Amino acid sequence: QKEVEQNSGPLSVPEGAIASLNCTYSDRGSQSFFWYRQYSGKSPELIMFIYSNGDKEDGRFTAQLNKASQYVSLLIRDSQPSDSATYLCAAPTGGGNKLTFGTGTQLKVEL
Amino acid sequence: GAVVSQHPSRVICKSGTSVKIECRSLDFQATTMFWYRQFPKQSLMLMATSNEGSKATYEQGVEKDKFLINHASLTLSTLTVTSAHPEDSSFYICSAPTGGAIGGYTFGSGTRLTVV
Repeated sequence: QKEVEQNSGPLSVPEGAIASLNCTYSDRGSQSFFWYRQYSGKSPELIMFIYSNGDKEDGRFTAQLNKASQYVSLLIRDSQPSDSATYLCAAPTGGGNKLTFGTGTQLKVEL
Repeated sequence: GAVVSQHPSRVICKSGTSVKIECRSLDFQATTMFWYRQFPKQSLMLMATSNEGSKATYEQGVEKDKFLINHASLTLSTLTVTSAHPEDSSFYICSAPTGGAIGGYTFGSGTRLTVV
């Protein structure tokens, strides 16, 4: 079992819709979770982090964490074509601070 | 905020030669640097962790004699790909933890290595 898992997609949503990206993790010791956006050929950029159960909102983005189910998600409201990218879920694993990434979900926002 | 400067951004080298990639922390001290490799349409895979003043820790399956990591100072970590082969062509990214309550990370801009 991979430590951090995501559906690879692509996930296609129309412009203005809500995009829902999901991630599961296996290391119950992980305390914080990160969502990164990566455009092709570029380095990942941090979108949000979350470490408490529940929801965390930042603009059009909402991260949701459920530690009991080992599940973290990212909602993007009012999706824009510029949101089209690969979204990577990541968590520190192995009891240290090395960040393990999921395989990433490719999001396509269509006009 | 914390910035990691990574160079070069793109390099093409001949098979059998060596390539050095540098990552510098510009406004903070990076005692640890993570080195990732990303093949097309795949995720970031951790190769190794460098720690200032000590030997790097390599992930399973990564050849330490091929991927030489040096972390000689608190602001500079380097990755040298020795005797490069076409299968080493990839996107290499460094990342440093920036601390704080949630343990944030900052990433270099990445190096696209093409071995011909």
